[in-house]
Amino acid sequence: EAGVAQSPRYKIIEKRQSVAFWCNPISGHATLYWYQQILGQGPKLLIQFQNNGVVDDSQLPKDRFSAERLKGVDSTLKIQPAKLEDSAVYLCASSFIRSERSDTQYFGPGTRLTVL
Amino acid sequence: GDSVTQMEGPVTLSEEAFLTINCTYTATGYPSLFWYVQYPGEGLQLLLKATKADDKGSNKGFEATYRKETTSFHLEKGSVQVSDSAVYFCALKYGNKLVFGAGTILRVKS
Repeated sequence: EAGVAQSPRYKIIEKRQSVAFWCNPISGHATLYWYQQILGQGPKLLIQFQNNGVVDDSQLPKDRFSAERLKGVDSTLKIQPAKLEDSAVYLCASSFIRSERSDTQYFGPGTRLTVL
Repeated sequence: GDSVTQMEGPVTLSEEAFLTINCTYTATGYPSLFWYVQYPGEGLQLLLKATKADDKGSNKGFEATYRKETTSFHLEKGSVQVSDSAVYFCALKYGNKLVFGAGTILRVKS
């Protein structure tokens, strides 16, 4: 079974530039998550989709971050304009159902963003 | 709000030593608890989980028991190997949200 795919794996940009990350979840997974992992910290949820609808974006900095999941499959996370503090690894994860206690999230390899 | 606290690392052990990584949580209800592992250059992988009090999760020789009375989910392994070197994350899931600890780096020397 193919895992969660993400691209690019690495990205270096100047501050105030824009950047986009792509995620393809495991086939059949209805729920998709984007996390931000700053060096030395655990992942922090940015946004959660159920099919193509947003169920939680309370920690997404909406003035600069946006995400979409068209057709309920692939997703794109965008940052515009980027700030130095956005340097982090951006993780995508997917799962079958969002509400089950035992539901497991499967993570992609992440995109490491460096903002100079 | 809900939170997870892990022991600070790095933890450095010799091969075949006993491992304990402490994890405690704060939650308003009764969450599910997870340990995830991140090997060098790879993504997060689920190591084990427990969904209710007194449940024991186990996998690859690792174990953790859900202790409601002490709000803990400590990770243990009887004999570590060099290949266990990684970052270990404790996490809780309550409702739709997965909350992670800061991670503990484990280094195993041969």
